[in-house]
Amino acid sequence: EVQLVQSGAEVKKPGATMKVSCKVSGYTFTDYYMHWVQQAPGKGLEWMGLVDPEHGETIYAEKFQGRVTISADTSIDTAYMDLSSLRSEDTAVYYCATGSIAAAGHAFDIWGQGTMVTVSS
Amino acid sequence: EIVMTQSPATLSVSPGERATLSCRASQSVSSNLAWYQQRPGQAPRLLIYGASTRATGIPARFSGSGSGTEFTLTISSLQSEDFAVYYCQQYNNWPPELTFGGGTKVEIK
Repeated sequence: EVQLVQSGAEVKKPGATMKVSCKVSGYTFTDYYMHWVQQAPGKGLEWMGLVDPEHGETIYAEKFQGRVTISADTSIDTAYMDLSSLRSEDTAVYYCATGSIAAAGHAFDIWGQGTMVTVSS
Repeated sequence: EIVMTQSPATLSVSPGERATLSCRASQSVSSNLAWYQQRPGQAPRLLIYGASTRATGIPARFSGSGSGTEFTLTISSLQSEDFAVYYCQQYNNWPPELTFGGGTKVEIK
């Protein structure tokens, strides 16, 4: 079974750095890009960026550029998303997601369960 | 950045009725458009990609149409499990700056 299993909920102080992990199983980790999506409470979906696990290359959304780092550890089939200089507006559920359908481009057919991160003093 | 605008924000529909959701792109995205369903407390689920191709396991009552800047998701006969929020997403750019619409909530009338 194809699965993306994310790390658990976190509470962070303003100014801190968060790190969320996404463990892949059921497919070859390096076959597909891994993306990260933010969803603030009661709000919509916002794409943050991606990593190519095979080559380590990353692309970030302009909104998060400079604060986000996405990486991949192929030895343990796990992707990571770090977000620094946290502020209250970063309180959200963070999803990892990937697209395994060749004809579907960057449409995401596989999603993690989401990780809730709360930023509060 | 390509801005995706969905309408209406909320759609009130009775079970068994048809629901029509719209998504507009600020510039052409060709057919590089996906639709997702998100139920409360769950991750989004891919319904449609390529503007009109149903993803694996998606019931035939879901259909997508459009190209360029205007897209539609139609649910032909709403079932109880279809009451949810629906998002469109464009994936036309490379390097990608993927963008989602703000969502349409389909609620029970």
